[in-house]
Amino acid sequence: DVKVTQSSRYLVKRTGEKVFLECVQDMDHENMFWYRQDPGLGLRLIYFSYDVKMKEKGDIPEGYSVSREKKERFSLILESASTNQTSMYLCASSSQGGSQHFGDGTRLSIL
Amino acid sequence: SQQGEEDPQALSIQEGENATMNCSYKTSINNLQWYRQNSGRGLVHLILIRSNEREKHSGRLRVTLDTSKKSSSLLITASRAADTASYFCATDGIQGAQKLVFGQGTRLTINP
Repeated sequence: DVKVTQSSRYLVKRTGEKVFLECVQDMDHENMFWYRQDPGLGLRLIYFSYDVKMKEKGDIPEGYSVSREKKERFSLILESASTNQTSMYLCASSSQGGSQHFGDGTRLSIL
Repeated sequence: SQQGEEDPQALSIQEGENATMNCSYKTSINNLQWYRQNSGRGLVHLILIRSNEREKHSGRLRVTLDTSKKSSSLLITASRAADTASYFCATDGIQGAQKLVFGQGTRLTINP
């Protein structure tokens, strides 16, 4: 089975901090994705990557950046955390043309 | 912009009954997928239906796709308490097929 592992289930940070969310997949998938999920807004795509060192903006990239130095790892970075970035963050991976496999999410609170 | 929209937003039925959820979308697609999310967890892929397919089955799940109406339905037959979850449809576009757009989901509650 595909395993997508997010480094933390719960995280609490302060406004202005630089925050790193890590995601690792074990199935050699080309594609990796970062979403945020908010009540009433559903899942919204922040960034995705289709290859090492490649990245593309999703629908809401502002305030975020990503890094993909190795195929199995996709990091989401909040450059200067703000309270409106409090959310559930979901990482996913997929092979070309395949369905997406999700991690269990990181519930991030920015105080 | 939101591509898929589920209807209803919430559904509560008795165990053993069938549950039907609908999804509408706006633009042409390669395929449509349904996902399930248990509370506080990630999404799990249920079924994928391609744009040239009209119906697909997987166990107690039946998915239909009507590309002329840009709509899909997910039917869960003989529901169980364990089916309680949120269900999302997701679509891709003809271009950039790896990128999915998710609807807001239907919250399904199965009462024992």
